[in-house]
Amino acid sequence: NAGVTQTPKFQVLKTGQSMTLQCAQDMNHNSMYWYRQDPGMGLRLIYYSASEGTTDKGEVPNGYNVSRLNKREFSLRLESAAPSQTSVYFCASSEARVSGSQGTQYFGPGTRLTVL
Amino acid sequence: AQSVSQHNHHVILSEAASLELGCNYSYGGTVNLFWYVQYPGQHLQLLLKYFSGDPLVKGIKGFEAEFIKSKFSFNLRKPSVQWSDTAEYFCAVNGKNTGFQKLVFGTGTRLLVSP
Repeated sequence: NAGVTQTPKFQVLKTGQSMTLQCAQDMNHNSMYWYRQDPGMGLRLIYYSASEGTTDKGEVPNGYNVSRLNKREFSLRLESAAPSQTSVYFCASSEARVSGSQGTQYFGPGTRLTVL
Repeated sequence: AQSVSQHNHHVILSEAASLELGCNYSYGGTVNLFWYVQYPGQHLQLLLKYFSGDPLVKGIKGFEAEFIKSKFSFNLRKPSVQWSDTAEYFCAVNGKNTGFQKLVFGTGTRLLVSP
């Protein structure tokens, strides 16, 4: 049981390049999330997927797109990377809205992205 | 809108000192409260959580937190810290109005424990 996995661990991009961050969970969770972590700002929600087939914007969605490929996988795409997107990106998952876990989220190891 | 405040951005303690990290939230409905820890170079791990019942909750590694509803607070405590507690600590809240899905995080408190 690997929990939440993310690839790649590190990535360096040039301004304008595109890339996709991959996330997968093996806990049979319905909901998945993408956050970015910047110094002094905590974690900010980029997008989330309440269940397979649905996605919604979070606090900082501009410049990103997401795909909920299936129940296990939730990818984050940067179409044209900008230096302001230099950050550490975390994927998380949680059980369904109505469950005993009350939305407890479990996090992946993160992707450290640098945009030059 | 929901918000979480962690007033201590950096805390430096010696080993065996007692720890209390402040967390205050703003939310107008039923909430769940969480403390996560992030050790250097690692991902966030759940320390403890409060859903309902006894307002004093115990988590892993000797940590505990007390929910004081009247003060909208959920402070994290540990009687005696160790060097291995050096990490960043995040308080988070979700609310019934968003189906308990959107977690709102504080900006974090970076704890350094000197041996």
